[in-house]
Amino acid sequence: AQSVTQPDIHITVSEGASLELRCNYSYGATPYLFWYVQSPGQGLQLLLKYFSGDTLVQGIKGFEAEFKRSQSSFNLRKPSVHWSDAAEYFCAVVYQAGTALIFGKGTTLSVSS
Amino acid sequence: EAGVTQFPSHSVIEKGQTVTLRCDPISGHDNLYWYRRVMGKEIKFLLHFVKESKQDESGMPNNRFLAERTGGTYSTLKVQPAELEDSGVYFCASTLDLHPTEAFFGQGTRLTVV
Repeated sequence: AQSVTQPDIHITVSEGASLELRCNYSYGATPYLFWYVQSPGQGLQLLLKYFSGDTLVQGIKGFEAEFKRSQSSFNLRKPSVHWSDAAEYFCAVVYQAGTALIFGKGTTLSVSS
Repeated sequence: EAGVTQFPSHSVIEKGQTVTLRCDPISGHDNLYWYRRVMGKEIKFLLHFVKESKQDESGMPNNRFLAERTGGTYSTLKVQPAELEDSGVYFCASTLDLHPTEAFFGQGTRLTVV
């Protein structure tokens, strides 16, 4: 079955430190890849997406993600975390145009001072 | 431009009661999706409207759930009768075109069935 794995349920990072959130997807074909963030009381907001082309994509709020076909991964990174980045992060994929998003379970990021 | 709006933000009902959730998509977005997140689990797809038509309802858990989108604007999701396992956060999203494209999400409705 098609699935998305986010192996880390909860991560704590010191403010100013770098961050990497992991995401792996199943299935053979390369899906369309997304990262969403949900801050408390807010809806999901798109951080970035990958459809094709350059495997390193830049998003909002200083985030970037790298698609690695050989590892079926789409990890999210940020060089320096800010306290306002504390939120829940979701990796999601679309395997076929027109179909719905398939989400991972999410990773909750806490930022310590 | 207004985003996707969901109402209510929270609802607490007793088992056996009926609840109706509402979603107002971004104006002009023909595609409307409902998702649900049960505690500790992934956000899962429920169904997809294209305008007023149900494009895909394969994610609807059972016939206690009824979704409508009269006139192709706002949508409602009714749960009747509600069961304990229906508790969770219900998200609505809308897109201008079919995926892959950016889906704009509402803030969700947290439903608690007691």
